[in-house]
Amino acid sequence: GAGVSQSPSNKVTEKGKDVELRCDPISGHTALYWYRQSLGQGLEFLIYFQGNSAPDKSGLPSDRFSAERTGGSVSTLTIQRTQQEDSAVYLCASSYRLSSDTQYFGPGTRLTVL
Amino acid sequence: AQKVTQAQTEISVVEKEDVTLDCVYETRDTTYYLFWYKQPPSGELVFLIRRNSFDEQNEISGRYSWNFQKSTSSFNFTITASQVVDSAVYFCALSESTAGNKLTFGGGTRVLVKP
Repeated sequence: GAGVSQSPSNKVTEKGKDVELRCDPISGHTALYWYRQSLGQGLEFLIYFQGNSAPDKSGLPSDRFSAERTGGSVSTLTIQRTQQEDSAVYLCASSYRLSSDTQYFGPGTRLTVL
Repeated sequence: AQKVTQAQTEISVVEKEDVTLDCVYETRDTTYYLFWYKQPPSGELVFLIRRNSFDEQNEISGRYSWNFQKSTSSFNFTITASQVVDSAVYFCALSESTAGNKLTFGGGTRVLVKP
């Protein structure tokens, strides 16, 4: 079946602009996760969803970052007033359930803030 | 707090050599899960294996094998008879049952297999 998909694959934006990154999880997966991969910080957790609720937002680096999930499926990660330090690859993963199940990752969105 | 350490940043081998990647973890939970992922040059993270904290059996899958030792908090990964296609960055990760399954990753080990 289809894996996790993310769009866009690449996004170049100017400092101060808002961006939206989209994740479409594997069909039937109830849990969805966002991670960020950058040269300086490695792979770091941002937020996860169980259904449409987000029990853990502890990884969001600032209040410029927000995410939502509607209909228990597609999720959008929004970064407002982008800064150069936001440049990274944003990875989405999904798992069948929240508890312990394997997370399968999408191809990522490479964000470059000029 | 959970932590994963991959002390080797880069390993270079010649094809057909064996290579072992080290992973050491820290956790206070008694129930936790350990993972290995592969990130080839294309960039996508590919799942390799998951182990739970109650299952210390070693596992072999083709040329891949994993050694889980709770006594030393290690979950090492060996590639036998390496091939050029094994060139990638390999990540070890940990999730705790009390932390919503979010993954904490090690820094990754880049493996370069030369022909």
